[in-house]
Amino acid sequence: GAVVSQHPSRVICKSGTSVKIECRSLDFQATTMFWYRQFPKKSLMLMATSNEGSKATYEQGVEKDKFLINHASLTLSTLTVTSAHPEDSSFYICSTQGLAATDTQYFGPGTRLTVL
Amino acid sequence: GENVEQHPSTLSVQEGDSAVIKCTYSDSASNYFPWYKQELGKRPQLIIDIRSNVGEKKDQRIAVTLNKTAKHFSLHITETQPEDSAVYFCAARARGGADGLTFGKGTHLIIQP
Repeated sequence: GAVVSQHPSRVICKSGTSVKIECRSLDFQATTMFWYRQFPKKSLMLMATSNEGSKATYEQGVEKDKFLINHASLTLSTLTVTSAHPEDSSFYICSTQGLAATDTQYFGPGTRLTVL
Repeated sequence: GENVEQHPSTLSVQEGDSAVIKCTYSDSASNYFPWYKQELGKRPQLIIDIRSNVGEKKDQRIAVTLNKTAKHFSLHITETQPEDSAVYFCAARARGGADGLTFGKGTHLIIQP
C-alpha cells in the first residue's frame, strides 16, 4: 500500500492560536487527499477533499475559513486549524488517493490536537 | 448524502470462533466498500475491500460479502486470534471515484482467550 506521513504527530496549543498539520504522500503522486476528524471513541468524519492545484471541497457543516486546506503539490497537503478552541481538540487524519478513481485510500498516522 | 449503519457496536467472541460485522448503506450509487481495522491511537489499516461488481472476496481468514440489492455488506473473520482485537470500521464511497469515504460508527471486537 501507499506510504503516507503526517506531521506533527501530536500538538498541544493554547486557545486562539493556529496549528498547521502536514500530510505527505511519500511514494506516489496523490492528486486527491482527504482530511478526516475523529473524536475519542468515535468514527471518522470526512471534513474536506483536497485537490492538487485547486480549492478544497468541504463537507456540509465544516467551516472552510476555520479549516484552511492547501494542496500545493502532488505530495503535500496542509490543514491549518485557525483560532483553535478546545472543541477543536481531536485526531486529524489524512488519506491519499492516486491517479485512478478506483484507487484505494491509505491513511496517514494521524495528528492528535489538544487545545487548552 | 450517504449514510452507513454498522452493527454491532461491540462484539465479544471466544478465540477460535468466527466474528461477523454487518453494515448497510443508503446510496445505491455507492460502488466501493472498504473495511478498516484501527488499534487504539493508531491509523486505520485497510484489511479488505470490495467493489460493487463483485459479490464476495476472501483473503485468508477474512472475507467480505456484498448484497447490492439489499444494500448491505458484511465482514467475516474466521478462527479469530487475540491480535484481531481492535475497532473495525466499514465504509462506503459514493458520488464518484474521487470522493471521500463515509464510515460506519465502528465495532469494538474483543477476542476472549
